[in-house]
Amino acid sequence: AQSVTQPDIHITVSEGASLELRCNYSYGATPYLFWYVQSPGQGLQLLLKYFSGDTLVQGIKGFEAEFKRSQSSFNLRKPSVHWSDAAEYFCAVGARGSNYKLTFGKGTLLTVNP
Amino acid sequence: EPEVTQTPSHQVTQMGQEVILRCVPISNHLYFYWYRQILGQKVEFLVSFYNNEISEKSEIFDDQFSVERPDGSNFTLKIRSTKLEDSAMYFCASQTLMFSGNTIYFGEGSWLTVV
Repeated sequence: AQSVTQPDIHITVSEGASLELRCNYSYGATPYLFWYVQSPGQGLQLLLKYFSGDTLVQGIKGFEAEFKRSQSSFNLRKPSVHWSDAAEYFCAVGARGSNYKLTFGKGTLLTVNP
Repeated sequence: EPEVTQTPSHQVTQMGQEVILRCVPISNHLYFYWYRQILGQKVEFLVSFYNNEISEKSEIFDDQFSVERPDGSNFTLKIRSTKLEDSAMYFCASQTLMFSGNTIYFGEGSWLTVV
């Protein structure tokens, strides 16, 4: 069975600083990988996804993530954080042949200081 | 952009009461899901639904839970006799086709508090 680990429960960065949120997965083959964001009072919004091809994927709101098979990682990055990026971020993995069932990490809460 | 809508946004219920959480998936979507998130824990898969039947369910989805698509637009989750541990945020989601690469769209969630 697949699993996802987000090692950082809470990260605080200053506005304008760069950001990297870590995600490690466990799955026997190449997985489908997703990053979702949840702002307070909002649902889960898809930021980006990886299925195949280029291991560096671009998403909405200036986010990108890189799939590294050797490290079983799919870290989320943004070069310059805005105050509106404060939210909770979830990494998720979907098994090939079973894309309908996502396994989520526990999430990383991002706080942005002015 | 089309969206998945859920009602109610927040419900407080007494233990042992029945609760129905409602969802309106995106109109051309065919696959529907419920996930839940207990406070401070992971978002967990509950059930998937296609062609008017359950495709898969997790071990959490026991006999107290049921899902239904009563009228072609709504998708409901019923908890027959709520327990304290059912307190959680419940997310509805939908998808056009169940194949690799297709995005699953989530609603804003229904926060259930059982007292």
